[in-house]
Amino acid sequence: AQSVTQLDSQVPVFEEAPVELRCNYSSSVSVYLFWYVQYPNQGLQLLLKYLSGSTLVESINGFEAEFNKSQTSFHLRKPSVHISDTAEYFCAVSERNTPLVFGKGTRLSVIA
Amino acid sequence: DGGITQSPKYLFRKEGQNVTLSCEQNLNHDAMYWYRQDPGQGLRLIYYSQIVNDFQKGDIAEGYSVSREKKESFPLTVTSAQKNPTAFYLCASFRDTPSYGYTFGSGTRLTVV
Repeated sequence: AQSVTQLDSQVPVFEEAPVELRCNYSSSVSVYLFWYVQYPNQGLQLLLKYLSGSTLVESINGFEAEFNKSQTSFHLRKPSVHISDTAEYFCAVSERNTPLVFGKGTRLSVIA
Repeated sequence: DGGITQSPKYLFRKEGQNVTLSCEQNLNHDAMYWYRQDPGQGLRLIYYSQIVNDFQKGDIAEGYSVSREKKESFPLTVTSAQKNPTAFYLCASFRDTPSYGYTFGSGTRLTVV
């Protein structure tokens, strides 16, 4: 069975500093990996996803994540955060055509 | 524009009453899902359906029921058997091609008093 571990439940960071949100997964087969962002009382918005090909994937708002098969990780990074990045971030995994399995989330708080 | 609509956004019910949450999509996606979100717990799968007239239990199906009579609709009923129904409920749909991915609704916050 698949599982996802987000190692930090809360990450405070100063504005314009870099940030890394950690995600490890377990699965016995090939997986697809996702990062979602959630603002209060809203649904989930896709940040980026890894399906195949290049192990480094990027989003349009400056986030990137790298798929590391040997370490079963898919950490999310941003070199310089903004106040507007304050939100909850979820890492998720699925095997082909199976439901998404989520981590418990990481609350990113950007401090001015 | 295509998307998923969940209604209502906020719902209040008395303990012991059944309540039905609506989820409608116009994306022509085959698969639909219901997740429950509690603080610090992430999202947990309640039920999912990959085709019309068929659905499967997820990890926390007890106290919930669903139907899938139409491709566009996947309503979730929270029954009186659900011991702790107060939560944020998210509906999602999925497509395999041309771009593999999931689309989420904006959620329904259910409060049982």
